[in-house]
Amino acid sequence: DTGVSQNPRHKITKRGQNVTFRCDPISEHNRLYWYRQTLGQGPEFLTYFQNEAQLEKSRLLSDRFSAERPKGSFSTLEIQRTEQGDSAMYLCASSLGLNYNSPLHFGNGTRLTVT
Amino acid sequence: ILNVEQSPQSLHVQEGDSTNFTCSFPSSNFYALHWYRWETAKSPEALFVMTLNGDEKKKGRISATLNTKEGYSYLYIKGSQPEDSATYLCAFEGSNYKLTFGKGTLLTVNP
Repeated sequence: DTGVSQNPRHKITKRGQNVTFRCDPISEHNRLYWYRQTLGQGPEFLTYFQNEAQLEKSRLLSDRFSAERPKGSFSTLEIQRTEQGDSAMYLCASSLGLNYNSPLHFGNGTRLTVT
Repeated sequence: ILNVEQSPQSLHVQEGDSTNFTCSFPSSNFYALHWYRWETAKSPEALFVMTLNGDEKKKGRISATLNTKEGYSYLYIKGSQPEDSATYLCAFEGSNYKLTFGKGTLLTVNP
């Protein structure tokens, strides 16, 4: 068990640029989640996958956000035309996903700063 | 919008004190309640996942209870230690496997 890996750890970008983050879940985990966390708030749900299928995407997300999980393995989260309000910690988590009480295993996150 | 509320927002205790926090959540469409500990510069770590009304779970000095009928869970820490300092998050899991987190309780244990 090598844990959930996220890259990069930090990303600084200028407003209007596109950014892409990668998450490698624990290998046998079926479910993969993306959350966003800002100061003073709990993790905010963005989207999640069961294997390669994206089951739900937050209605709070604009069309600038897209996520993929090809072949049900790693996942990427892309933000197009970044805005300063996108600055946050982006967390990825995976779970075994066999039933409802599977705990999430989190990565260390990618901290995005949009200047 | 599903509301998961945690209180207090922050808490300062002395080493050796016992403490508890509250998580309230919708009592409908409930499937599981998760507790996580998030230490600074680390990733959130699962403490407990509870599904049954009346469930109690324990891990060392930390324990949790669950009341699904009234929609609340308590997390207890007995004899707090400085290494318990962290943000404690609860999350409601509904029928769609989506976890909705509260804002967390920031615990600081002073030596």
